[in-house]
Amino acid sequence: DQQVKQNSPSLSVQEGRISILNCDYTNSMFDYFLWYKKYPAEGPTFLISISSIKDKNEDGRFTVFLNKSAKHLSLHIVPSQPGDSAVYFCAASKIRLRDDKIIFGKGTRLHILP
Amino acid sequence: NAGVTQTPKFRVLKTGQSMTLLCAQDMNHEYMYWYRQDPGMGLRLIHYSVGEGTTAKGEVPDGYNVSRLKKQNFLLGLESAAPSQTSVYFCASSLAEWNTEAFFGQGTRLTVV
Repeated sequence: DQQVKQNSPSLSVQEGRISILNCDYTNSMFDYFLWYKKYPAEGPTFLISISSIKDKNEDGRFTVFLNKSAKHLSLHIVPSQPGDSAVYFCAASKIRLRDDKIIFGKGTRLHILP
Repeated sequence: NAGVTQTPKFRVLKTGQSMTLLCAQDMNHEYMYWYRQDPGMGLRLIHYSVGEGTTAKGEVPDGYNVSRLKKQNFLLGLESAAPSQTSVYFCASSLAEWNTEAFFGQGTRLTVV
């Protein structure tokens, strides 16, 4: 029973265009969401996060949108660059419940095409 | 800046052998985690610790044990390795319960034959 779902295993986007990675969650008690980026043979690195009290958080080329009613979040990368080619993991935790185990989705592999 | 360091980076075990994976962090983080990554499965939490001397089970704890005798170290043990434990193992740490950004090690690739 997967609580954090990334339904697209891979995504290809032209360099310079917008990349949109999607994530759905099933547990309404999640109140903190994170995106991690992973290159081959390396550990994941934190990219951006959002609290459930917000619906948008922006950091440079990266923006995360949260739709609580739909239990859906998305990561937008604009403009996409070759170095953005990586696996992106969506993750969620429950801070209010003092249960902050970070639960990850299966990941989406992003390919930026020249 | 070492961050989170995992030892070893690679290991091949025979079925039934035991081994311990070591994770060390130098950021004075309270929380530490062990995850495994398998193709098509993402990152799954094995065990975690909310402080020195404490451990708790994650999503897939069977076949593993952990210890957190010192705040900076989190050990993952396999008492009797099985081929199903072939995976890439990642250790992570985070500052505290209100800051859930986790910092990951570079991973340990374990093959059980």
